[in-house]
Amino acid sequence: AQKITQTQPGMFVQEKEAVTLDCTYDTSDPSYGLFWYKQPSSGEMIFLIYQGSYDQQNATEGRYSLNFQKARKSANLVISASQLGDSAMYFCAMRGFISSGSARQLTFGSGTQLTVLP
Amino acid sequence: DTEVTQTPKHLVMGMTNKKSLKCEQHMGHRAMYWYKQKAKKPPELMFVYSYEKLSINESVPSRFSPECPNSSLLNLHLHALQPEDSALYLCASSLGTGGVQETQYFGPGTRLLVL
Repeated sequence: AQKITQTQPGMFVQEKEAVTLDCTYDTSDPSYGLFWYKQPSSGEMIFLIYQGSYDQQNATEGRYSLNFQKARKSANLVISASQLGDSAMYFCAMRGFISSGSARQLTFGSGTQLTVLP
Repeated sequence: DTEVTQTPKHLVMGMTNKKSLKCEQHMGHRAMYWYKQKAKKPPELMFVYSYEKLSINESVPSRFSPECPNSSLLNLHLHALQPEDSALYLCASSLGTGGVQETQYFGPGTRLLVL
């Protein structure tokens, strides 16, 4: 079975500072993918960044980077230079096992509510 | 373009009503998903369509009925819902299997209130 754990229900960060959101995972599948999504209060789930289990380098997308430590089974999201618009719920997710065709399930963590303070 | 659209944005319905949620994508994605999300919780998978065929049904009550008329369109038909079905309903799509192609792109959701 797969499991994603986010241990920080809520986080606060000062505007322009960096923040790290924690995510640990457990899987017996040697090939897996990890995703981070942002969900503002409006409700839409916004894809931020992807890390494959065989990727040699940590993924980066603009101000977002993923600190991937395979041996520790962690995939922490780092947001640099926080902005007020970064205030949202953040979900870590893992690609599930093959179901059929082109479809894969996602296993989500419980989420971290980030608040950026002015 | 990574846009998934959903209509309506908001829906209020009585327990005897029949309504439908609509989801559309024009990215050539071959898999489409319905999720239900309660406040402050992660999304829960309801249904998955792969190549227009239902491939996953997560033991969802029969008052929810999915339909995939073509590769770009996904509907969720609602009938005789209960107040506990009130939630945000999210649609998502993904291109295929293998690495970043499995990324699911979500629509803005439909906020459903059942009275």
